[in-house]
Amino acid sequence: EAGVAQSPRYKIIEKRQSVAFWCNPISGHATLYWYQQILGQGPKLLIQFQNNGVVDDSQLPKDRFSAERLKGVDSTLKIQPAKLEDSAVYLCASRAEGLAGATQYFGPGTRLLVL
Amino acid sequence: RKEVEQDPGPFNVPEGATVAFNCTYSNSASQSFFWYRQDCRKEPKLLMSVYSSGNEDGRFTAQLNRASQYISLLIRDSKLSDSATYLCVVNMSPGAQKLVFGQGTRLTINP
Repeated sequence: EAGVAQSPRYKIIEKRQSVAFWCNPISGHATLYWYQQILGQGPKLLIQFQNNGVVDDSQLPKDRFSAERLKGVDSTLKIQPAKLEDSAVYLCASRAEGLAGATQYFGPGTRLLVL
Repeated sequence: RKEVEQDPGPFNVPEGATVAFNCTYSNSASQSFFWYRQDCRKEPKLLMSVYSSGNEDGRFTAQLNRASQYISLLIRDSKLSDSATYLCVVNMSPGAQKLVFGQGTRLTINP
């Protein structure tokens, strides 16, 4: 079974530029998450989708971050404009629907460096 | 106060030793609990769930104390391959699975 796919794997941009990350979850997984992991910290949830609807975006900095999952499958996360403190690994995870105890499976992440 | 707190370490122990990690959480309404493992520059992966009765998986034992809001992980007969960061994770939501991660405890097993 294919895992969660993410691209690009690495990205270097200058502050105030824009950047977008892409995630394709495991086939059939209705729930998709985006996390931000800053060096030395645990992952922090940014946004959670159930199919194409947002379940929780309370920790998403909406002045600069946006995310969508238009067809309920793959998803994009965008930062515009980027700040130095956005340097982090952005992890996408997915989980099967309807199973409260089902495991979240993480993708390899996109490592972002903002200069 | 952080929602999930762990000792960041690092822990450096010799191969074959027993090592224990602790974790506390602040929300008494937390629903379920996990330990994840994260290798250097890799994604987190589920190591094991944590149940009130305690559970064991080979050399790994997890314990939960709801009254004290405390979770532990014990690794016996440690191997070089156990070197990783161990993340304490709490699920805050009964249905949607909203995970809150601790900052992780870094473990290095020395030959």
